[in-house]
Amino acid sequence: DQQVKQNSPSLSVQEGRISILNCDYTNSMFDYFLWYKKYPAEGPTFLISISSIKDKNEDGRFTVFLNKSAKHLSLHIVPSQPGDSAVYFCAAEDEGGTSYGKLTFGQGTILTVHP
Amino acid sequence: ETGVTQTPRHLVMGMTNKKSLKCEQHLGHNAMYWYKQSAKKPLELMFVYNFKEQTENNSVPSRFSPECPNSSHLFLHLHTLQPEDSALYLCASSQDPTGRVAGYTFGSGTRLTVV
Repeated sequence: DQQVKQNSPSLSVQEGRISILNCDYTNSMFDYFLWYKKYPAEGPTFLISISSIKDKNEDGRFTVFLNKSAKHLSLHIVPSQPGDSAVYFCAAEDEGGTSYGKLTFGQGTILTVHP
Repeated sequence: ETGVTQTPRHLVMGMTNKKSLKCEQHLGHNAMYWYKQSAKKPLELMFVYNFKEQTENNSVPSRFSPECPNSSHLFLHLHTLQPEDSALYLCASSQDPTGRVAGYTFGSGTRLTVV
């Protein structure tokens, strides 16, 4: 049973517009969420994170929103740039004392930003 | 280069072979991880090492044997693998075992093909 789901395998956006990547989770014990970006032939690169005590975290063009009641988070990229084209992974971590480092990942969404 | 180096980048091995994957970080991180990404599947945690001690084995078959001789190096010893073990194997490290100080830093991965 997949606890973190990214239901959109791909997203295509025009340069300058907003990209919205979505992620849903089922485990109510998750209390920390991360977004990673991955280019081909490279490992995932940390983008932004959010703790469950917040509903929004912003870093430059990237903003993550968390809706705990809906068990949903989203990553907004504004404005989108062609260099943002990559696979984006949502990941979650729970607060269990023995679960350090145990990230649960979504399947990823391929973002393509067209010039 | 993210600071986490994995070698080799690509590996083809027969089912009777023994090989090892290597991961090295000089970021001063205290925790290191092995993840597996199979085709069309999310990244899956395999092992967690915190201060050289294994703290997580995510039900990984014994044909995968991790070794962490010091906090900068992590190995994954492989023997009698199956074709379904073909995947991208990613190493990661984090400053603290929760990864909440500065996220997790991933290497570029080893693309393993078992024939």
